[in-house]
Amino acid sequence: SQQGEEDPQALSIQEGENATMNCSYKTSINNLQWYRQNSGRGLVHLILIRSNEREKHSGRLRVTLDTSKKSSSLLITASRAADTASYFCATGPLLPGNTPLVFGKGTRLSVIA
Amino acid sequence: KAGVTQTPRYLIKTRGQQVTLSCSPISGHRSVSWYQQTPGQGLQFLFEYFSETQRNKGNFPGRFSGRQFSNSRSEMNVSTLELGDSALYLCASSLGDRVQFFGPGTRLTVL
Repeated sequence: SQQGEEDPQALSIQEGENATMNCSYKTSINNLQWYRQNSGRGLVHLILIRSNEREKHSGRLRVTLDTSKKSSSLLITASRAADTASYFCATGPLLPGNTPLVFGKGTRLSVIA
Repeated sequence: KAGVTQTPRYLIKTRGQQVTLSCSPISGHRSVSWYQQTPGQGLQFLFEYFSETQRNKGNFPGRFSGRQFSNSRSEMNVSTLELGDSALYLCASSLGDRVQFFGPGTRLTVL
């Protein structure tokens, strides 16, 4: 069963606007990762945030993690048409050697030029 | 470094047949994971191999199997195909820090 649940399921914005996607999870984690998938292709790793971190930046991406609420958010600033894709969160378990990453069902982002 | 490669990219089979998919991980990566992606179920974990041993297994029937070779290349096999097996099958390799590097996937259609 999926642990990460992304919200919203779909998001449509204009180019230049910011996009925010949320992820909630159920059990304690070692880290949380965000991935992007262009239609019908493989996933691409975007960013990893560890359980002892609260915020992380990478270019136009900003990720926050609130372990007390078991939630994370991904902010894409100044979005571009090329950001159109599905975005997935994946939770890394406390014992990484024993259990796999668990992916959510994703948020489908459409950026309209 | 070359990325993860998967062959074939597209496959059409009929019910009852079997299929073998192949995955070559990034050089130096010893962990290979397989996922099934469908519109209804999302990304479902199939299994993970590490140094030729199955380390984790998802909740799939025994018709789904896999193996890993000494060069870390991996194959997955699906026997007695069902219509519901139509999906994008993704392979991912990692160094063990759980950051997954995905291949482009194999699109399997079962008729």
